[in-house]
Amino acid sequence: GPKVLQIPSHQIIDMGQMVTLNCDPVSNHLYFYWYKQILGQQMEFLVNFYNGKVMEKSKLFKDQFSVERPDGSYFTLKIQPTALEDSAVYFCASSPDRDEQYFGPGTRLTVL
Amino acid sequence: GDSVTQTEGPVTVSESESLIINCTYSATSIAYPNLFWYVRYPGEGLQLLLKVITAGQKGSSRGFEATYNKETTSFHLQKASVQESDSAVYYCALGEGGTGSNRLTFGKGTKFSLIP
Repeated sequence: GPKVLQIPSHQIIDMGQMVTLNCDPVSNHLYFYWYKQILGQQMEFLVNFYNGKVMEKSKLFKDQFSVERPDGSYFTLKIQPTALEDSAVYFCASSPDRDEQYFGPGTRLTVL
Repeated sequence: GDSVTQTEGPVTVSESESLIINCTYSATSIAYPNLFWYVRYPGEGLQLLLKVITAGQKGSSRGFEATYNKETTSFHLQKASVQESDSAVYYCALGEGGTGSNRLTFGKGTKFSLIP
């Protein structure tokens, strides 16, 4: 089936530095999402993105977070600056409509 | 806000036995949310197993079934006869659908494996 790719699979970074998580969504999809999963907890919605704009963001989507998809390439999540509580697995998803979402394998972010 | 509660794992059963993973939901933002079961097989990404968007309907896929029960706000996942290839982590989720937000709210996941 359609595949969503995420790069890198694991990122280790020092607190305070900037990190960019990359998502390669399914080519004809229009809606894009980020979810965050802290170890032992459920996956939680961060943000969704459509037509170049953020549609909705949760309270977990702090001011230090930003998303973009320049020129239809990667859909990115940038965290600047990072904090210890940002350590988690971040999952990207895309969907062709407002229905089924296709998920990537996740990027494990470790903030030291 | 919305929430999903599911069977706390790990769950183990013998091959060819039946499996039930319970899921109940609370949707404060919409009366009849869309309901989903996602699955993560070892080494793979999360993928949709089945979905039901109409209360009272049943969804099925790969031998699994789940019925959308609005009276009990439940969406339990069942399979009559499990096999090794069913070993995975199963996630129940709800979404608003329609013209509302299409964010998903997930349960914590239930890890299932066969009794060795």
